[in-house]
Amino acid sequence: NAGVTQTPKFRVLKTGQSMTLLCAQDMNHEYMYWYRQDPGMGLRLIHYSVGEGTTAKGEVPDGYNVSRLKKQNFLLGLESAAPSQTSVYFCASSLTDTEAFFGQGTRLTVV
Amino acid sequence: DAKTTQPPSMDCAEGRAANLPCNHSTISGNEYVYWYRQIHSQGPQYIIHGLKNNETNEMASLIITEDRKSSTLILPHATLRDTAVYYCIVRNAGGTSYGKLTFGQGTILTVHP
Repeated sequence: NAGVTQTPKFRVLKTGQSMTLLCAQDMNHEYMYWYRQDPGMGLRLIHYSVGEGTTAKGEVPDGYNVSRLKKQNFLLGLESAAPSQTSVYFCASSLTDTEAFFGQGTRLTVV
Repeated sequence: DAKTTQPPSMDCAEGRAANLPCNHSTISGNEYVYWYRQIHSQGPQYIIHGLKNNETNEMASLIITEDRKSSTLILPHATLRDTAVYYCIVRNAGGTSYGKLTFGQGTILTVHP
């Protein structure tokens, strides 16, 4: 099993550009999450989903959109990237209210 | 979810037990204590969790005080690969928690030869 796979692993964007981060899990988990981690800090929740077709805002949702069209995929979109969105992005999934499994992260730099 | 307090850093000699404390004095009755670790900017990894009884698995032991206001994660025989940031997280189970995790700054554990 691959677990949680994030694509891409690295990306550099120019201010104002858009992009989509893909998270895929093969564990048939109901819940999926997107977190961001800034240098020297813990992870902060951006958006989450409790099932196919559902999404909800987390702690820091501004500037991001998400979609969960298929149970195994959770997409994070940046419509107009800003330097403040330079961060490492982690996707995670959990069966329900159980321990979470995290991907390896996407390092995004906005210049 | 209850707030947690952890020391910013700790050292441990390889082969010795690493005891990582966590204070969660405002924990409520239906909140669990979870421990995750993050090795060198990889994705966090689940270690263990508990409600009020002590727990043990292949990775670690979790000791929760009787009043549940604090806990200790024990790595019985630390290795160099256990060098990581360890996060103690307290959260509700069920209801509208939906498995969401609130990460603090964690404890940087350095295991040295």
